[in-house]
Amino acid sequence: GQQLNQSPQSMFIQEGEDVSMNCTSSSIFNTWLWYKQDPGEGPVLLIALYKAGELTSNGRLTAQFGITRKDSFLNISASIPSDVGIYFCAGKPVRDRGSTLGRLYFGRGTQLTVWP
Amino acid sequence: DTEVTQTPKHLVMGMTNKKSLKCEQHMGHRAMYWYKQKAKKPPELMFVYSYEKLSINESVPSRFSPECPNSSLLNLHLHALQPEDSALYLCASSELAGRRNEQFFGPGTRLTVL
Repeated sequence: GQQLNQSPQSMFIQEGEDVSMNCTSSSIFNTWLWYKQDPGEGPVLLIALYKAGELTSNGRLTAQFGITRKDSFLNISASIPSDVGIYFCAGKPVRDRGSTLGRLYFGRGTQLTVWP
Repeated sequence: DTEVTQTPKHLVMGMTNKKSLKCEQHMGHRAMYWYKQKAKKPPELMFVYSYEKLSINESVPSRFSPECPNSSLLNLHLHALQPEDSALYLCASSELAGRRNEQFFGPGTRLTVL
């Protein structure tokens, strides 16, 4: 199946710092999604991207659909303690039968810890 | 209403029990999903229903039996589970199953098999 490489695996930062994480694929994607998951809860959709080069913001979060269509980036500005959690990228490859039926490919996640 | 609800929140069952997980959405979505998630891992797709028909079964053991009684409801029937089936079970829905359809997740059911 499709492999998504998400990095970094974990981040330990101080409150107020900016955060960047990214996701790369071996093939071209037509959908990139970013989710945040708190312990014991379901993933919450943060940002959805559908077009190469697209840059979308949601409060302090900004995500981009890479122009090569093989990557996506998520930035968090001025981090706060409630940003703690696991961030997952997810996406759908072009010309993937499973994706047309609903399959979503996930990265392994970035565990974010914010120190006050 | 952009919510997917799941019941129960927690479930403990023995290996000989039969139980069911329930999922509901009222967003008019026509695609619904079951995922299994182990700690600190991404969700793993189990089943996809599109227009109340099963469209993907990711080679899930028959001790897991999905059911979609109508467009708003999704059930997962459990029977003769193993301890390694203990996990967070997530339900999700999307407007349609194809491209350009964000999946919205429920809060999950934490399942423990003794």
